[in-house]
Amino acid sequence: GDSVTQTEGPVTVSESESLIINCTYSATSIAYPNLFWYVRYPGEGLQLLLKVITAGQKGSSRGFEATYNKETTSFHLQKASVQESDSAVYYCALGEDSAGNKLTFGIGTRVLVRP
Amino acid sequence: GGIITQTPKFLIGQEGQKLTLKCQQNFNHDTMYWYRQDSGKGLRLIYYSITENDLQKGDLSEGYDASREKKSSFSLTVTSAQKNEMAVFLCASSIDNYEQYFGPGTRLTVL
Repeated sequence: GDSVTQTEGPVTVSESESLIINCTYSATSIAYPNLFWYVRYPGEGLQLLLKVITAGQKGSSRGFEATYNKETTSFHLQKASVQESDSAVYYCALGEDSAGNKLTFGIGTRVLVRP
Repeated sequence: GGIITQTPKFLIGQEGQKLTLKCQQNFNHDTMYWYRQDSGKGLRLIYYSITENDLQKGDLSEGYDASREKKSSFSLTVTSAQKNEMAVFLCASSIDNYEQYFGPGTRLTVL
């Protein structure tokens, strides 16, 4: 079946440092799945951070970027300079079918940003 | 904007008990989902529904029933709770199939 592997947390960084969370995927049911990063901030529900539905494209939101790389089957999340408010759990996910109804999630990466 | 409400927030059950979780959304979204999250694991899809009275099985449907009574509500039933089971159940909805909106979750503990 389809699977998503991401950096195991917790990841601790200091404010203004750069952050990268690795995500690789294996999609057997669809050649070019839709790729997502979801985030759960403390005390809040899971919400979409960014999505890319076309291979080779880059998505960005709140200073985060991720590029859909079909050659390496990767979708790493990066931010050049993190803030304390970026402390959260980040989930990489892929949309398994062409209708996008079934998402396969990674285990989540907890990020702690020190002030 | 809209909101997804899940009830109850915490659910404590006994082994073998049938337990029902409820989800309401006011986005007017067509598709609704139930996921289960265990500690150290990603979310796993239990059931989803693309319209009222529709049900589609996910990867984890065994041991669960679901019901889409109307467009705005989607309930999930644990048919027989397993002893020492602990998990968070997340409800979500979507309209364009690219973004799912999630509720706050129901935390289940089985004694």
